[in-house]
Amino acid sequence: AQTVTQSQPEMSVQEAETVTLSCTYDTSESDYYLFWYKQPPSRQMILVIRQEAYKQQNATENRFSVNFQKAAKSFSLKISDSQLGDAAMYFCAYRSPPHTGTASKLTFGTGTRLQVTL
Amino acid sequence: DAGVTQSPTHLIKTRGQHVTLRCSPISGHKSVSWYQQVLGQGPQFIFQYYEKEERGRGNFPDRFSARQFPNYSSELNVNALLLGDSALYLCASSPILEGNYGYTFGSGTRLTVV
Repeated sequence: AQTVTQSQPEMSVQEAETVTLSCTYDTSESDYYLFWYKQPPSRQMILVIRQEAYKQQNATENRFSVNFQKAAKSFSLKISDSQLGDAAMYFCAYRSPPHTGTASKLTFGTGTRLQVTL
Repeated sequence: DAGVTQSPTHLIKTRGQHVTLRCSPISGHKSVSWYQQVLGQGPQFIFQYYEKEERGRGNFPDRFSARQFPNYSSELNVNALLLGDSALYLCASSPILEGNYGYTFGSGTRLTVV
C-alpha cells in the first residue's frame, strides 16, 4: 500500500519570504500522480499543484513550485513571496492511475500547518 | 459554474442513529469519491463511484455505504453511529478516472456524534 509522510507538523514563514514543505512517499508503482492541496479554515481542499511521475520537469504554478525527486520518492513544495493568504494546512497526496475495476484514490499525508507572519 | 456542493454543512447525531450525507458533483463530472477527515489528520478514502458503479472502498466497516444516482450525485450513509465517526466528510469529483485530475472537493459536512 502507498504511504505519504509529512514530517513537519508546523512551519512558519515571514511575509514575502520563501518556505519549503517536505513530503516523502512510498510506492512500488512507476506511474502515478502527486499533488499538494491547501486547506484553509473554510475546510475546502484546494488543489495547489500537481506532478506526473513520468515528467522529469518540476511543476510550477505562479509562486508555487515543486522539487520532485522520483528515485528518492520525495516531493517538496516551495512557496515563494509568501502572503498572509497562504496560511493554511497543506497536504501532500499520492494517486495511482486507475487499474481495471479499481479505485483511483488519493492517499494523503498528515499535513503541515503553515503560519505566515508579518 | 457551481463547484462540488455538499449538504448539510453541519450535523449533530446521537450514538446509534443513522445519517445520510449528500454530494452534487461539478456538472459533467462522472466520478464521486468520499473521504473522512478526523481532526488533525489527513483525509482517508471511503468510497469511489464512477458511472454509478462502485470502483473502490477504503478500510471502513459495513456500517458505511454509498451510492451514485443517474445524475451523478451521491449519498453516503452511515448506520449505528459511533462517537469515533465524528469527523469532516469530504466529497470530491472528477470528470474521469484517468489522467492527472486532482479532484475538486466540496467544503464538507461536519458530523458530530454525541
